Amino acid sequence: DAGVIQSPRHEVTEMGQEVTLRCKPISGHNSLFWYRQTMMRGLELLIYFNNNVPIDDSGMPEDRFSAKMPNASFSTLKIQPSEPRDSAVYFCASSKTLTYNEQFFGPGTRLTVL
Amino acid sequence: SQQGEEDPQALSIQEGENATMNCSYKTSINNLQWYRQNSGRGLVHLILIRSNEREKHSGRLRVTLDTSKKSSSLLITASRAADTASYFCATVIIIQGAQKLVFGQGTRLTINP
Repeated sequence: DAGVIQSPRHEVTEMGQEVTLRCKPISGHNSLFWYRQTMMRGLELLIYFNNNVPIDDSGMPEDRFSAKMPNASFSTLKIQPSEPRDSAVYFCASSKTLTYNEQFFGPGTRLTVL
Repeated sequence: SQQGEEDPQALSIQEGENATMNCSYKTSINNLQWYRQNSGRGLVHLILIRSNEREKHSGRLRVTLDTSKKSSSLLITASRAADTASYFCATVIIIQGAQKLVFGQGTRLTINP
């Protein structure tokens, strides 16, 4: 199994541009999570899905952030428009169920907004 | 304030020594998990301890949980240079009927050869 796959691994963009981060969870996992990690705020849960349905998006910082999961093998996190304070490492993770056993993390996308 | 707070924030020891990291939390939990993060990588799950368990072992790792003190500790015995990483505790809490996994700020562990 390839594990959780994220793309791109690095993204540099200018303020105001749209950014789309992609994630492919582990096959057979029903739950998918998006996190953001910064030095100042640590690891923050942004949103999570169960069976492709968003369960809790209370961690999404602003309306500029949106996430979708059109099918069991693909999810996107979109920022539009991006701002410098969005610079962070964004992680996608998946787990078999929503009962919080082991979560498997992807390698992350390092986003820099200039 | 953090649900899970690790202590210390940074720890530097010599290879072969034991490393102990602590985690305190505030609310009742379903379980507590420890993760490791190597620089530039995603988090890797190490061990899970349920609220009705007091101690758990996995290889060189030993985790304890004291629900009366709302604290947990992670002990790495006979440390190796490869153990250099950040270690996070994560607690499962229930907010408005939904389970959430909340991570602490982590302990940065450095093993000196």
